[in-house]
Amino acid sequence: AQKVTQAQTEISVVEKEDVTLDCVYETRDTTYYLFWYKQPPSGELVFLIRRNSFDEQNEISGRYSWNFQKSTSSFNFTITASQVVDSAVYFCALRRDDKIIFGKGTRLHILP
Amino acid sequence: DSGVTQTPKHLITATGQRVTLRCSPRSGDLSVYWYQQSLDQGLQFLIQYYNGEERAKGNILERFSAQQFPDLHSELNLSSLELGDSALYFCASSVRGQGFPGELFFGEGSRLTVL
Repeated sequence: AQKVTQAQTEISVVEKEDVTLDCVYETRDTTYYLFWYKQPPSGELVFLIRRNSFDEQNEISGRYSWNFQKSTSSFNFTITASQVVDSAVYFCALRRDDKIIFGKGTRLHILP
Repeated sequence: DSGVTQTPKHLITATGQRVTLRCSPRSGDLSVYWYQQSLDQGLQFLIQYYNGEERAKGNILERFSAQQFPDLHSELNLSSLELGDSALYFCASSVRGQGFPGELFFGEGSRLTVL
């Protein structure tokens, strides 16, 4: 069975601090895809990144970085020098073929 | 702007009623997904269509049904509504390429309130 666990329900940090959002997944498949989505207070779901199971290279995009480790079935997301605009709910998701499973999300509060 | 259009954005109705939510996918996307987001359940997958055919089913109640039309837009029908059906309903679309599933692009959602 496929499963995505985001153990951190809610996190609060002060602006400019770094914060890491954890994502642990379960799958028996060898080919799968992992995603992160952001849901700001306005409600829409914004795609952030896709990673396939064969590419364990970490990725950096500005203040965002992702650490994919197959050995621990984790796909963690780090925001460096956080800003108030980063306040949102962040979802990790796992996809194999047409089945896409989302974690329950982590609500991130960036305090000014 | 994701390119996925959902209507209506907000809907308030009474228990026992029926509503229809509409979704137009991004141009060129053949797959449409429906998700329900309620406060305590996170994002729950309901159903997926590909080029007019149902491809995957999730936790969709029997009171709910969906279809995808030849022009690729999709409708989600919710009937005999209950208070617990109040939620944000998202539609998403995706290009379904062989061996390379892409990311989902979500609409802004339809917020349903059942009173």
